[in-house]
Amino acid sequence: LAKTTQPISMDSYEGQEVNITCSHNNIATNDYITWYQQFPSQGPRFIIQGYKTKVTNEVASLFIPADRKSSTLSLPRVSLSDTAVYYCLVGDYGGSQGNLIFGKGTKLSVKP
Amino acid sequence: GAVVSQHPSRVICKSGTSVKIECRSLDFQATTMFWYRQFPKQSLMLMATSNEGSKATYEQGVEKDKFLINHASLTLSTLTVTSAHPEDSSFYICSARDAGGAGGEKLFFGSGTQLSVL
Repeated sequence: LAKTTQPISMDSYEGQEVNITCSHNNIATNDYITWYQQFPSQGPRFIIQGYKTKVTNEVASLFIPADRKSSTLSLPRVSLSDTAVYYCLVGDYGGSQGNLIFGKGTKLSVKP
Repeated sequence: GAVVSQHPSRVICKSGTSVKIECRSLDFQATTMFWYRQFPKQSLMLMATSNEGSKATYEQGVEKDKFLINHASLTLSTLTVTSAHPEDSSFYICSARDAGGAGGEKLFFGSGTQLSVL
């Protein structure tokens, strides 16, 4: 299983860019990297997924270096509503169970 | 993204009763669904994998007779907590695998069910 390691918590202020890095040293060839956001008492919400290089959507960017042993979720200009726990999961779903195993996540606190 | 509906959102029950939680994929077919539980300020813990038309696969330490899972159709999986006790009080979350679209498969989650056993 590709284990992931993230910072336990991060603080930021409104309007700043936030980068959360996830380490996954034993990522397999078929594994994708997926990030989820969870608010209290809600199910996780899919944010972004990538395999290599850079992926961008309307809410975030995901940077993946060539060795794929880490990834960075970038949230541009955060607001108070971005305060949540962010999880990085790695796996291919079809065979590996890695993507189904949640690590501790990163609790992001955005202050005014 | 795909929508997964989970009901009820909150249930309070007496010790010894059974509680059923439903998880539906609304706009896609999910041959595989997953059930998690989450305690306050902790991460999600995978309980079991639910496969349509076959028996569920339980994670180590999860009692299959305690947590009954049924996946009778491609859009519905249910989790029944049998003879619930206060220690079963937790936040239960289902997810469904959606293989559609480009890239890797993605998981979409229900909104969760807060179970409180008195």
